[in-house]
Amino acid sequence: EAQVTQNPRYLITVTGKKLTVTCSQNMNHEYMSWYRQDPGLGLRQIYYSMNVEVTDKGDVPEGYKVSRKEKRNFPLILESPSPNQTSLYFCASSRRQGSVRTVDLDTQYFGPGTRLTVL
Amino acid sequence: RKEVEQDPGPFNVPEGATVAFNCTYSNSASQSFFWYRQDCRKEPKLLMSVYSSGNEDGRFTAQLNRASQYISLLIRDSKLSDSATYLCVVTPGGRLTGGSYIPTFGRGTSLIVHP
Repeated sequence: EAQVTQNPRYLITVTGKKLTVTCSQNMNHEYMSWYRQDPGLGLRQIYYSMNVEVTDKGDVPEGYKVSRKEKRNFPLILESPSPNQTSLYFCASSRRQGSVRTVDLDTQYFGPGTRLTVL
Repeated sequence: RKEVEQDPGPFNVPEGATVAFNCTYSNSASQSFFWYRQDCRKEPKLLMSVYSSGNEDGRFTAQLNRASQYISLLIRDSKLSDSATYLCVVTPGGRLTGGSYIPTFGRGTSLIVHP
């Protein structure tokens, strides 16, 4: 079954305690990304990755790190979480299509979400 | 910066009604357009892609107007199960060098279908 998985689904932690949220997809997608969703603000992209070892900042990257060592995995790292990072996080993947010089993103498939609370 | 704008609603309609949502976007270089559906606290799921020629899937019709930079979603014969938030998504195209590949989501339009 084609899917994007995230772990953990729920996490309560304290300020400053490093954490990692894992994301994995089995669709051989090149493009992966992380979003956070907050009431009234909608989905905002944190980081994205066009392929292995290629990552770039989204709209709200401060306080987050990512890595893309393998095509299927794209973990989100919070080195020193703070209460303003309390949010609902989604990982997504997408096939990349287009010519060598242009890029179009296909449908995005989302993981089930990780609800993070930082006390 | 509001690159993609949607009326948040809620749109409160009776079963069987026809309802339409619009979404405007500011980046004229946008390449791909989608409507996603999101149920409360769950992940967004693709409802349909939006093509210049229009796209129909059962009770759902999506349209793109590039000249006026908006997309629309029409739902006919609304069902209780259509109650959800509908997200408009605009994705950029661009060159591999110097491009920005950040899909932009609207904040969503809430639909409530009541008996």
